[in-house]
Amino acid sequence: AQSVTQLGSHVSVSEGALVLLRCNYSSSVPPYLFWYVQYPNQGLQLLLKYTSAATLVKGINGFEAEFKKSETSFHLTKPSAHMSDAAEYFCAVSDHLEYGNKLVFGAGTILRVKS
Amino acid sequence: ETGVTQSPTHLIKTRGQQVTLRCSSQSGHNTVSWYQQALGQGPQFIFQYYREEENGRGNFPPRFSGLQFPNYSSELNVNALELDDSALYLCASSLKGAGYEQYFGPGTRLTVT
Repeated sequence: AQSVTQLGSHVSVSEGALVLLRCNYSSSVPPYLFWYVQYPNQGLQLLLKYTSAATLVKGINGFEAEFKKSETSFHLTKPSAHMSDAAEYFCAVSDHLEYGNKLVFGAGTILRVKS
Repeated sequence: ETGVTQSPTHLIKTRGQQVTLRCSSQSGHNTVSWYQQALGQGPQFIFQYYREEENGRGNFPPRFSGLQFPNYSSELNVNALELDDSALYLCASSLKGAGYEQYFGPGTRLTVT
């Protein structure tokens, strides 16, 4: 079965510093991987996705992620943190159903940005 | 393009009661999935509906049931509510075969007392 592990339930960075959120996956087939962001009391917003094309994926708000098969990782990065990036981030892997797919999520990482 | 909408935003129920949550999918999408997000956890897959039929179910008891209507909107019903059912319930819509990503609504916060 597919699974996701997010290392670090809380990450704190200073404004302008590099953001690195870690995600490792387990999948029996070539994976489709996603990062979502959740602001307080809101739903999930798709940041970016990997679907077996380029291994470096660019998303919204300056985020990007690199798929590394040898490390089974899909870490999320942003060169310079902004206060508005403070939120909870979820990594997810797609798991096939008969007529579609479901998402299997990690436990999430709360990003705090210090001024 | 209209996004995913959910109603109600919040509700409070008593243990043993029944609840119905509603979801309207994004325009053009034909598949709806429901997830439960307990406090401090990632979303957990409840079930998915495609062409008005259940298309996969997570590890949830039968008292969690659903419907999908011809316009692709959906309902989640929970019978015999338990305290542990308190959570944020998220609906996500997608287009079968088109990229695998799912688009989420704002959620319904259910509190069971």
